[in-house]
Amino acid sequence: DGGITQSPKYLFRKEGQNVTLSCEQNLNHDAMYWYRQDPGQGLRLIYYSQIVNDFQKGDIAEGYSVSREKKESFPLTVTSAQKNPTAFYLCDSSIFGEQYFGPGTRLTVT
Amino acid sequence: DQQVKQNSPSLSVQEGRISILNCDYTNSMFDYFLWYKKYPAEGPTFLISISSIKDKNEDGRFTVFLNKSAKHLSLHIVPSQPGDSAVYFCAAKAGGGNKLTFGTGTQLKVEL
Repeated sequence: DGGITQSPKYLFRKEGQNVTLSCEQNLNHDAMYWYRQDPGQGLRLIYYSQIVNDFQKGDIAEGYSVSREKKESFPLTVTSAQKNPTAFYLCDSSIFGEQYFGPGTRLTVT
Repeated sequence: DQQVKQNSPSLSVQEGRISILNCDYTNSMFDYFLWYKKYPAEGPTFLISISSIKDKNEDGRFTVFLNKSAKHLSLHIVPSQPGDSAVYFCAAKAGGGNKLTFGTGTQLKVEL
């Protein structure tokens, strides 16, 4: 079945540690995106990639990094520089205007 | 700067009645608008969209209206059902691109 997967569903980390969130798609989509959701703030764009080996900062990229070495994978690293990392993270891929969201990862940093 | 705004954080409606969710935008370059429904701890699911060349699009119980001069769109759900209870996001994009700008969401609760 084609789709977009994010793992794990829930992730817990200690403050000061970097953590990488996985996003994989087998839809052959060129474009992939990372958003975070916070209460009362909707979905905010962190990073996006329109093609392999290229990515752009979104609205709230500080404290995050990404890579796009393969078309099907767009991992997001939440670094220790991110001041408020606890959030729900959503990955999205798209082609020809069709958007496909993954199920999300809830990251809790204590 | 919030380019897409949903000014009502929550809405409560009785089952069978109409739910009207509103969305305003400021960027005149937006030319395609979408509505998503989201349950807690899940990804958003697409509901309905509308191009700026139209003022109405209907799909079953869902109708989206676009008022370009007012930079306003609304989602009508009729009749509302308990399963419609969720957070609804409007989103916009510009120039044929895929990058979405989301509103802050409205929590809809449909009561029996």
